[in-house]
Amino acid sequence: AQSVTQLDSHVSVSEGTPVLLRCNYSSSYSPSLFWYVQHPNKGLQLLLKYTSAATLVKGINGFEAEFKKSETSFHLTKPSAHMSDAAEYFCVVSERNAGNNRKLIWGLGTSLAVNP
Amino acid sequence: SAVISQKPSRDICQRGTSLTIQCQVDSQVTMMFWYRQQPGQSLTLIATANQGSEATYESGFVIDKFPISRPNLTFSTLTVSNMSPEDSSIYLCSVIRATSYEQYFGPGTRLTVT
Repeated sequence: AQSVTQLDSHVSVSEGTPVLLRCNYSSSYSPSLFWYVQHPNKGLQLLLKYTSAATLVKGINGFEAEFKKSETSFHLTKPSAHMSDAAEYFCVVSERNAGNNRKLIWGLGTSLAVNP
Repeated sequence: SAVISQKPSRDICQRGTSLTIQCQVDSQVTMMFWYRQQPGQSLTLIATANQGSEATYESGFVIDKFPISRPNLTFSTLTVSNMSPEDSSIYLCSVIRATSYEQYFGPGTRLTVT
């Protein structure tokens, strides 16, 4: 079975400094991987996705993630944090369930705080 | 993208009652899901809503507690039955299109059981 581990439950950065949110996964075959963001009291939004194309994936709001098969990682980065980036971030991997339907396995989330 | 609406957006219910949450999508989608997000936690998949047949439930969730309907490709309901305070959570409808790996989420229904 596939699983995903977000290595940090909380990350705090200063505005203008780089952001790194770490994610490792386990998979028996080539996975599809996603990062979602959830701002306080708002819905979930897809930041970016990897589906076996380019290993460096660019998303919205200046975020990007690199798929590293040898390290089974899919870390999320941004060169310069903005106050509006403060939110909960979820790393997600897809798999097939017993009915051969695709479903997503969610990490526990990383809360990002951005300090002025 | 897909536009997903949920009704109600929030509700406060008494223990022992039931609440039905509706999910409407603006276009036909292949897969619809129901998730639960308890306070301060990640998302947990409840079930996959199948059109015209019984939903596929994940471990720990049963049809008697969370009956689901999906009469067509754009609409589904989730009922939380015989509610207890432990059912207080945000319930999210989610869809996947036939040609995309992207999963879209509704705004959620915030349920509080007293």
